[in-house]
Amino acid sequence: AQKITQTQPGMFVQEKEAVTLDCTYDTSDPSYGLFWYKQPSSGEMIFLIYQGSYDQQNATEGRYSLNFQKARKSANLVISASQLGDSAMYFCAMREVNTGFQKLVFGTGTRLLVSP
Amino acid sequence: NAGVTQTPKFQVLKTGQSMTLQCAQDMNHEYMSWYRQDPGMGLRLIHYSVGAGITDQGEVPNGYNVSRSTTEDFPLRLLSAAPSQTSVYFCASSRRARDNEQFFGPGTRLTVL
Repeated sequence: AQKITQTQPGMFVQEKEAVTLDCTYDTSDPSYGLFWYKQPSSGEMIFLIYQGSYDQQNATEGRYSLNFQKARKSANLVISASQLGDSAMYFCAMREVNTGFQKLVFGTGTRLLVSP
Repeated sequence: NAGVTQTPKFQVLKTGQSMTLQCAQDMNHEYMSWYRQDPGMGLRLIHYSVGAGITDQGEVPNGYNVSRSTTEDFPLRLLSAAPSQTSVYFCASSRRARDNEQFFGPGTRLTVL
């Protein structure tokens, strides 16, 4: 079963606008972590943000925030005030603490294109 | 700090050849891992290590071997390359396995003919 689902293969946004990248997940483990990574065209993977399943508040890191809706099993990434440099692939990932906290499972990614 | 380094950047192999992808980190990280990235798919975990002398299998371990004789190095060996192993390979590390942030290397693009 797909553990991480990213249904948007591509998204377009204008510079300075906000954009939401969708991520839903599937787990029966009560303790888990959710991650977002950015992969620019240069290829490296860059960690953006983390949300723990027991965290009471949504995670934020600068212009990035994670809209965590536990009951709906969604962990959407919100990028505020998009910049041209935000154009990249974005991957959602999950780690289940009780069944293998060492193992990160990734979604298929969403390509974001920011236009001037 | 150089961070996580990988060599080579590109490699072309013939079916049946063997080779080793190198990964090194200079951050004294305990946890290291190898992923492969195929078109249209997310990264998939091949093998990981939680410390020198300790390795374990990830999601797609078949056809690959690893060892961890030092904290710094975590090489990935392809025993007999197959076209299905054509992929981009990423090495990653973190201070501890439970750390939230993993640091990724630049990747190795491998083509098996």
